[in-house]
Amino acid sequence: DIQMTQSPSTLSASVGDRVTITCRTSQSINSWLAWYQQKPGRAPNLLIHKVSTLESGVPSRFSGSGSGTEFTLTISSLQPDDFATYYCQQYNTYSWTFGQGTKVAIK
Amino acid sequence: EVQLVESGGGLVQPGGSLRLSCSASGFTFSHYVMHWVRQAPGKGLQFVSAITPNGGSTYYADSVKGRFTISRDNSKNTLFLQMSSLRHEDTSLYFCVVGDYGRLGGHWGQGTLVTVSS
Repeated sequence: DIQMTQSPSTLSASVGDRVTITCRTSQSINSWLAWYQQKPGRAPNLLIHKVSTLESGVPSRFSGSGSGTEFTLTISSLQPDDFATYYCQQYNTYSWTFGQGTKVAIK
Repeated sequence: EVQLVESGGGLVQPGGSLRLSCSASGFTFSHYVMHWVRQAPGKGLQFVSAITPNGGSTYYADSVKGRFTISRDNSKNTLFLQMSSLRHEDTSLYFCVVGDYGRLGGHWGQGTLVTVSS
């Protein structure tokens, strides 16, 4: 099974801050990496797929990068609507794996 | 518009069984791999099971293998998860998901809650 290590588990930030979340995989996933945002009581919402492809309607302050086994989600200027939990996900196989999640909280 | 609506959750005793359903609309259901993903209260997302478009191949998390069975009825656009020998640790919100990133996109239902408790 492919293991995912996401960090940090929580981070406190202010509106306007640049935020970076890291995800490491136990083996190569051929860039089949996605990022999700989840707010309390809601289903996850897909932000990015294939490492860096932004979904339609997702603000351009979100970006993804990385290769091999290390990947990053960056929010260039944190907005009030961005306080949520973020998950990375590998879909190199049908047996998906998710990172442990990063809760972005208000400082 | 893609819609996924789960049903069948509820309170069940340890060792009991439950069958979840997911009704799909807004896309050609028979063309896509379908997944079940769960989320325990206050916890992260966990893959449960997946099934290929014709139902010929299925995949399970080690934690549910031998206890859960995924299936689909393409004539009714419905995905199922038969759960048996349920344990306390199976208590979760169960989501039905279609993830065809780059084409259809990633779409989740709102989930159905399964609570395993005596």
